[in-house]
Amino acid sequence: SAVISQKPSRDICQRGTSLTIQCQVDSQVTMMFWYRQQPGQSLTLIATANQGSEATYESGFVIDKFPISRPNLTFSTLTVSNMSPEDSSIYLCSGAPGWGMNTEAFFGQGTRLTVV
Amino acid sequence: GQQLNQSPQSMFIQEGEDVSMNCTSSSIFNTWLWYKQDPGEGPVLLIALYKAGELTSNGRLTAQFGITRKDSFLNISASIPSDVGIYFCGSDSWGKLQFGAGTQVVVTP
Repeated sequence: SAVISQKPSRDICQRGTSLTIQCQVDSQVTMMFWYRQQPGQSLTLIATANQGSEATYESGFVIDKFPISRPNLTFSTLTVSNMSPEDSSIYLCSGAPGWGMNTEAFFGQGTRLTVV
Repeated sequence: GQQLNQSPQSMFIQEGEDVSMNCTSSSIFNTWLWYKQDPGEGPVLLIALYKAGELTSNGRLTAQFGITRKDSFLNISASIPSDVGIYFCGSDSWGKLQFGAGTQVVVTP
C-alpha cells in the first residue's frame, strides 16, 4: 500500500506564528484529507484537499485559519495560521486511492504541534 | 454529522484474554472500518467491512458489519502486549472518514 510522509513530525511554536505541514505520498492518490486529533481525542476532519482548486472545509474550519494547497496528486500542505495554545494537536494527512465507496484511506504518522 | 458511538472507552486486560469493542450509529452506514493507532503514529487500517452481515478476520482480529448496518464489533483474541493502543471504528464516505471516540486497550503481562 502507499506510504505517506509528513514533515515536520513535531514542532513547538510561539503563539501568533504559522506552521506549514507537508504531506508527501509515494504514489498518486485521488483524494487527500487533513485531520486534527486534539489531546486524548478522536480524529476530526478539517478539509478535503482538492488538486488544483480550493480545499473543501468541514464545519468549524475556515480557509483563513487552515489554508491548504494541493498542487498535484502526491503532495499537499496544511498551514496552521496565527496559532494559539488551543491549536496544540496532532495533525494528520490521509490519502485515498480512488473514487467510490471502497476507498480505504491510509494515514501519515502525524505532526505533533505544541503552541506555547 | 452522523455520530459513531464507540464503547468501551478503555479496557485493561491481562495478556491472553479476549477483547471486544463495538460501535453503533443512529444512521445506516455503507462501510465500517477499524483502525489502530499506536503512540506517535497515524491510524493503521485493520479491517474494512462493506456488506451487512459480513464477518472478516485478520489474524487474531475479527470484525463484523451488523445486519442493521448501524453497528459493528471488533474482537481481539488471545491478546498480546503489542495489542496495546487505541482502536477506532470509522465509516467511509468517498474517502472521508468519520471516527468513533476510540477504545484504549492496555494489556498487562
